Amino acid sequence: DAGVIQSPRHEVTEMGQEVTLRCKPISGHNSLFWYRQTMMRGLELLIYFNNNVPIDDSGMPEDRFSAKMPNASFSTLKIQPSEPRDSAVYFCASSLGSGLGGELFFGEGSRLTVL
Amino acid sequence: AQSVTQLDSQVPVFEEAPVELRCNYSSSVSVYLFWYVQYPNQGLQLLLKYLSGSTLVESINGFEAEFNKSQTSFHLRKPSVHISDTAEYFCVGANNLFFGTGTRLTVIP
Repeated sequence: DAGVIQSPRHEVTEMGQEVTLRCKPISGHNSLFWYRQTMMRGLELLIYFNNNVPIDDSGMPEDRFSAKMPNASFSTLKIQPSEPRDSAVYFCASSLGSGLGGELFFGEGSRLTVL
Repeated sequence: AQSVTQLDSQVPVFEEAPVELRCNYSSSVSVYLFWYVQYPNQGLQLLLKYLSGSTLVESINGFEAEFNKSQTSFHLRKPSVHISDTAEYFCVGANNLFFGTGTRLTVIP
């Protein structure tokens, strides 16, 4: 199995630009999670989906952030407009079932730098 | 809702020495507890988990954790660490979603 695939691995952009991060979960997994990791705040849950439906988006920082899951094999996290404080590593994870009690499988992350 | 607390943000330890990474939980409902490990520049991966049954759970690389209900703890231990154990370790509880800042284990040669 290829595991969770994220792209791009690295992104450097300027403040104000739109950023789109992509995630392909493990085939057959029906829960998908987006996390953000910084030195100051650690690993924060942004949003998670179950069966392509957003279940909890309370961790999304503000309206500049949006996430979609149009089908079971693809999700995007978009930041528009981006700001320097958005610089972080963004991880996508997937899980079989609802995620409760189950193992999360993480991608290798997308490192975002906003100048 | 369940929450977990990792008491140490950084733990330096010499190679071949024992280590304990502390995790305490609070919960009024059923307990699920996990330890994940993140090696440098990588994503997280599951190290071990407790869902029910035996209170002592082990990983394939020598780590173990004991669910202690009376002390509300799930500390991670290894009797002899290797350089390759240098990583960030996360204790996670409840619905397996909230990770926090973790504990950085640094093994010193």
